[in-house]
Amino acid sequence: TQLLEQSPQFLSIQEGENLTVYCNSSSVFSSLQWYRQEPGEGPVLLVTVVTGGEVKKLKRLTFQFGDARKDSSLHITAAQPGDTGLYLCASALNGGTSYGKLTFGQGTILTVHP
Amino acid sequence: GAGVSQTPSNKVTEKGKYVELRCDPISGHTALYWYRQSLGQGPEFLIYFQGTGAADDSGLPNDRFFAVRPEGSVSTLKIQRTERGDSAVYLCASSLKRAHTDTQYFGPGTRLTVL
Repeated sequence: TQLLEQSPQFLSIQEGENLTVYCNSSSVFSSLQWYRQEPGEGPVLLVTVVTGGEVKKLKRLTFQFGDARKDSSLHITAAQPGDTGLYLCASALNGGTSYGKLTFGQGTILTVHP
Repeated sequence: GAGVSQTPSNKVTEKGKYVELRCDPISGHTALYWYRQSLGQGPEFLIYFQGTGAADDSGLPNDRFFAVRPEGSVSTLKIQRTERGDSAVYLCASSLKRAHTDTQYFGPGTRLTVL
């Protein structure tokens, strides 16, 4: 079973600060996804990365996939209170009957104070 | 269009009782997943349906848990003889196909509390 370790578990910052969340595994990812979840809601997909070294940007969010495809990071520039939420990384097993089955990290709870 | 819906949104039950949780996936989505999320944790996989059949039920914790999807659309997760440790948010997700890069759309979840 592929385990995903996220750090930090909690992050409390002021509006305007930058932050980075990390996701690591001892195994190689076939692909990796980042989700954001708000209280009372299900996770919402932010991005999928599939190629080692890939960098994707979504407004103030930058996602990076490690060259060896065993780690990923999410960087938020100039955080805003609306960024508050639970950020999750997840990886899907590739092939066989487990195709698409997601394994999630434990999540990073981000709080951005005005 | 409508997203994934789950009912009820909250369920409080007593230890030993039977509960059913319902998931309505996005119309046309053939793949359906159930996950369980404990407080402060990421979701954990329970079971995956491709059409009407359970293609992977390796995440079900024990034989008290069972899920069906008889017509390939709506799915019901059934828990017998509930225990306090079953308390969690149960999430359902659906995707158009089953590719590992296919987007899974999650419902808001059912919060189950076993007293």
